[in-house]
Amino acid sequence: AQSVTQLDSQVPVFEEAPVELRCNYSSSVSVYLFWYVQYPNQGLQLLLKYLSGSTLVKGINGFEAEFNKSQTSFHLRKPSVHISDTAEYFCAVSGGFQKLVFGTGTRLLVSP
Amino acid sequence: EAGVVQSPRYKIIEKKQPVAFWCNPISGHNTLYWYLQNLGQGPELLIRYENEEAVDDSQLPKDRFSAERLKGVDSTLKIQPAELGDSAVYLCASSSGRGNSSSYNEQFFGPGTRLTVL
Repeated sequence: AQSVTQLDSQVPVFEEAPVELRCNYSSSVSVYLFWYVQYPNQGLQLLLKYLSGSTLVKGINGFEAEFNKSQTSFHLRKPSVHISDTAEYFCAVSGGFQKLVFGTGTRLLVSP
Repeated sequence: EAGVVQSPRYKIIEKKQPVAFWCNPISGHNTLYWYLQNLGQGPELLIRYENEEAVDDSQLPKDRFSAERLKGVDSTLKIQPAELGDSAVYLCASSSGRGNSSSYNEQFFGPGTRLTVL
């Protein structure tokens, strides 16, 4: 079985500052990893995914994440955030068969 | 291209009443998912359909929850009777292709239905 831990429930940051949202996973099999963003009263939108290949994955809206197998981590980063990045971010893992297991989410709060 | 459509967006009912949610997936997507998202939590899978077949319903509380996807397109999730603890957001998602251990097809999510049980 797979599980995901997002240790930070909320991350406050100033506009144009860099940000890192942490994600650690647990799995006994090879995994696929994902980051989703959820804006208020909306569904989830895929930011980026790691399926195989390069461990540095670039996604939409200037986000990127790095898969670290030895540390079982998949942290999300952005070098300069905007007010519009304020949202809930979910890390998710899949061991295949289309089954996604989500973390509890991290609320990113960007202030001017 | 239209995304995943869900209705209603919001529903308020009293406990012990029945409620139903509807989902229309992206055209051509044969796999459909229903997720439950409690406040402050990530989504949890309730049921997954491949065409009209429920291939994973292990997390669906079958005493009060039911789902159907009769023609392999749109789907309905029902709760009868609703309890206070069912207050949550119910998300529908869809993807193309079939699930296997060596591939992944992106899931596209609808906006969800926010249920409040009083």
